[in-house]
Amino acid sequence: SQTIHQWPATLVQPVGSPLSLECTVEGTSNPNLYWYRQAAGRGLQLLFYSVGIGQISSEVPQNLSASRPQDRQFILSSKKLLLSDSGFYLCAWSVERSYEQYFGPGTRLTVT
Amino acid sequence: AQKVTQAQTEISVVEKEDVTLDCVYETRDTTYYLFWYKQPPSGELVFLIRRNSFDEQNEISGRYSWNFQKSTSSFNFTITASQVVDSAVYFCALSEALGSQGNLIFGKGTKLSVKP
Repeated sequence: SQTIHQWPATLVQPVGSPLSLECTVEGTSNPNLYWYRQAAGRGLQLLFYSVGIGQISSEVPQNLSASRPQDRQFILSSKKLLLSDSGFYLCAWSVERSYEQYFGPGTRLTVT
Repeated sequence: AQKVTQAQTEISVVEKEDVTLDCVYETRDTTYYLFWYKQPPSGELVFLIRRNSFDEQNEISGRYSWNFQKSTSSFNFTITASQVVDSAVYFCALSEALGSQGNLIFGKGTKLSVKP
């Protein structure tokens, strides 16, 4: 069966510090991968998605970036965090676009 | 443009009551997919159901049922005999086969509180 992992589970970082969040999927090949952010207002904002290694599409311009160095690994990064980057970051995968996405447990990021 | 509206921000019910969560969508595609997700306090989104635009049959799964009506662009979710464990935020989502490159468009969610 497929599983999706995210780490760390929680993170407290000062403004201006770098960020690296990791997501890995097991039990499937060539998944579509997604990064979402959920701020205090509860809405889900799609940040990035990837249909294959090295292929990243950005939905919202910001100081975040994403990379997919391996088929089942998706990384969210920032060189300098802003206060507004605080939120709950969720990684998801799907077999194909338009199909249901399965979400990881999330990373709660607080930027101080 | 595609859009998902969940007009109910919060709903509070007493255990064993039935509750319906509303979802209205907008799309120009003739082929699209609708979803419901549950987000319990732990935070992880749990997939509940996916329906395609060609299948308007209602679906029942235990205490959960879904009513898809293309005529009103609605995909409502009913929980029968609610339980405390149903307390969560519920999200409705839309995916178009052609538009938005197949990505899911989420509503803002409805927070359901079931009190004992």
